[in-house]
Amino acid sequence: DGGITQSPKYLFRKEGQNVTLSCEQNLNHDAMYWYRQDPGQGLRLIYYSQIVNDFQKGDIAEGYSVSREKKESFPLTVTSAQKNPTAFYLCASSMAGEKLFFGSGTQLSVL
Amino acid sequence: AQSVTQPDIHITVSEGASLELRCNYSYGATPYLFWYVQSPGQGLQLLLKYFSGDTLVQGIKGFEAEFKRSQSSFNLRKPSVHWSDAAEYFCAVAPNNNNDMRFGAGTRLTVKP
Repeated sequence: DGGITQSPKYLFRKEGQNVTLSCEQNLNHDAMYWYRQDPGQGLRLIYYSQIVNDFQKGDIAEGYSVSREKKESFPLTVTSAQKNPTAFYLCASSMAGEKLFFGSGTQLSVL
Repeated sequence: AQSVTQPDIHITVSEGASLELRCNYSYGATPYLFWYVQSPGQGLQLLLKYFSGDTLVQGIKGFEAEFKRSQSSFNLRKPSVHWSDAAEYFCAVAPNNNNDMRFGAGTRLTVKP
């Protein structure tokens, strides 16, 4: 089955620690995205990538980093500079101009 | 900059009743418009989208939405709600490349038996 896989489903971060959220897709989509979702708010774009080895900042990129070394993979690192990381993180992918397909999300919490 | 407003944070309807979820957008041109549904702890699933053409769009699960340019609205409707429709619904707007897709804050739907 084609789709987007996010792992882990739940993740805990200690103070000062970097953590990486995984996102893999086998849909052969060119574009991939990371969104952050907070309770009572819509999704906010963190980073997006249209092609391999290229990515752009979204609205709330500070404290996050990404890489796009392979078409199928777009990992998100939440760095220690992100002071309020607790949120639900959603990865998505699409072909250009087409709808977004979403993963099932990762809930990140701070210990 | 484009933006999306969903005026209703939470709506409760009885099973079998009709439903309308409101969405207003702000954008210089006619954007691409979407409605997504999210079950708790899950990703988003596309219900329907509007790119151009017929302003009444049919989606999955019996949902439809109507684009009204004069009102900058894209309201979601369903004639008869089922208990399984209880979820969070998001309206989204994007230019033609998805790179700047903006989501509304969402409307949580509760269905009473």
